Amino acid sequence: AQSVTQPDIHITVSEGASLELRCNYSYGATPYLFWYVQSPGQGLQLLLKYFSGDTLVQGIKGFEAEFKRSQSSFNLRKPSVHWSDAAEYFCAVVPEGYSSASKIIFGSGTRLSIRP
Amino acid sequence: GAVVSQHPSWVICKSGTSVKIECRSLDFQATTMFWYRQFPKQSLMLMATSNEGSKATYEQGVEKDKFLINHASLTLSTLTVTSAHPEDSSFYICSALENGDTQYFGPGTRLTVL
Repeated sequence: AQSVTQPDIHITVSEGASLELRCNYSYGATPYLFWYVQSPGQGLQLLLKYFSGDTLVQGIKGFEAEFKRSQSSFNLRKPSVHWSDAAEYFCAVVPEGYSSASKIIFGSGTRLSIRP
Repeated sequence: GAVVSQHPSWVICKSGTSVKIECRSLDFQATTMFWYRQFPKQSLMLMATSNEGSKATYEQGVEKDKFLINHASLTLSTLTVTSAHPEDSSFYICSALENGDTQYFGPGTRLTVL
């Protein structure tokens, strides 16, 4: 079945440590890919997106993500997390064949906690 | 990035009344906007797609007569929850489509129906 999978429901990392949040999808070989972050009681903020080209994408707040076609993955990384990074992170996919982001599928989210 | 606002950020109303939530794209025009509902600790659930100048498209299971959507201009869409009941209490988030390829989200509206 088609899906966007974020296998980690909740991750805790120490402040200053590196972070990787996983995302796998099954919507074709060349979907549009997004990472959004949501702080408690807030809307979603776009961190970064991938449409084509260089498979390593830089985003805001020091985040980056790498598109790996062979693994159908789009993992989010940050070399050193800050306490303010504690939030819910959503991976989202526009399936291959859709020219517009009107059809966007969200993963279930990963909650990130930061250990002081 | 593009900015989308929502108003109000929170609202409390009595059962049976109607509530209107506004969604505005502040620095770009959006022919398409979306309305989502989010339950605690869950992902977003698409309710409807709002198209400027035409009728909204509702997802299966969403009552169009209860959740009225109006997209009167290229920067404004409104969601009216009619005859609200406690089970309509939720977090409602809108988004606006920029350049046809990226959704930018508003900050959300917390609705509590007493």
